[in-house]
Amino acid sequence: KNEVEQSPQNLTAQEGEFITINCSYSVGISALHWLQQHPGGGIVSLFMLSSGKKKHGRLIATINIQEKHSSLHITASHPRDSAVYICAVTAGGSQGNLIFGKGTKLSVKP
Amino acid sequence: DAGITQSPRHKVTETGTPVTLRCHQTENHRYMYWYRQDPGHGLRLIHYSYGVKDTDKGEVSDGYSVSRSKTEDFLLTLESATSSQTSVYFCAISPGTSGGEDTQYFGPGTRLTVL
Repeated sequence: KNEVEQSPQNLTAQEGEFITINCSYSVGISALHWLQQHPGGGIVSLFMLSSGKKKHGRLIATINIQEKHSSLHITASHPRDSAVYICAVTAGGSQGNLIFGKGTKLSVKP
Repeated sequence: DAGITQSPRHKVTETGTPVTLRCHQTENHRYMYWYRQDPGHGLRLIHYSYGVKDTDKGEVSDGYSVSRSKTEDFLLTLESATSSQTSVYFCAISPGTSGGEDTQYFGPGTRLTVL
């Protein structure tokens, strides 16, 4: 079993829809990261969080440490949000080594 | 954007040849990481460095070695490339202010094909 599981694997949405991507993990962590990878490959860090909720523009990330679960929400989705979203965790004391989920491929249709 | 570059960006080589990939940063960050990304596996850690001359192995280190002789450069070497090492390689850096448990900034990637 993978230590970091994401769902769904693939997601197609219409422009303007509210989107949720889920991440569950099975190890003790010090932080959880959400990353975005556009076609063409570049990887960008969206959020790093260890508790509660963070918001940046139309993106919201939440984490529930007790349930070992995080969600990434996109409000008012747009075709430019089409990308692969990757959840990763930092196990405590691991010197920042990330354990990655396999990603969720999001396609937003106009 | 964090100042992080990788070279080369694309490389095709033959089985058995040595290959060195370079990661260069201008941020003076303490931690540097090498990952590989493969379909069906996602990203996986190869090696990382927590300071000059301080390196350690990651999940998939077999067949790879690294060196860090100065803060800004982290080299990944495939001593004798194999087809299973065909992959996209990403370097990442982080400040190291929290024992490495910081946001990581990724380089643009190197696409390596071993024939």
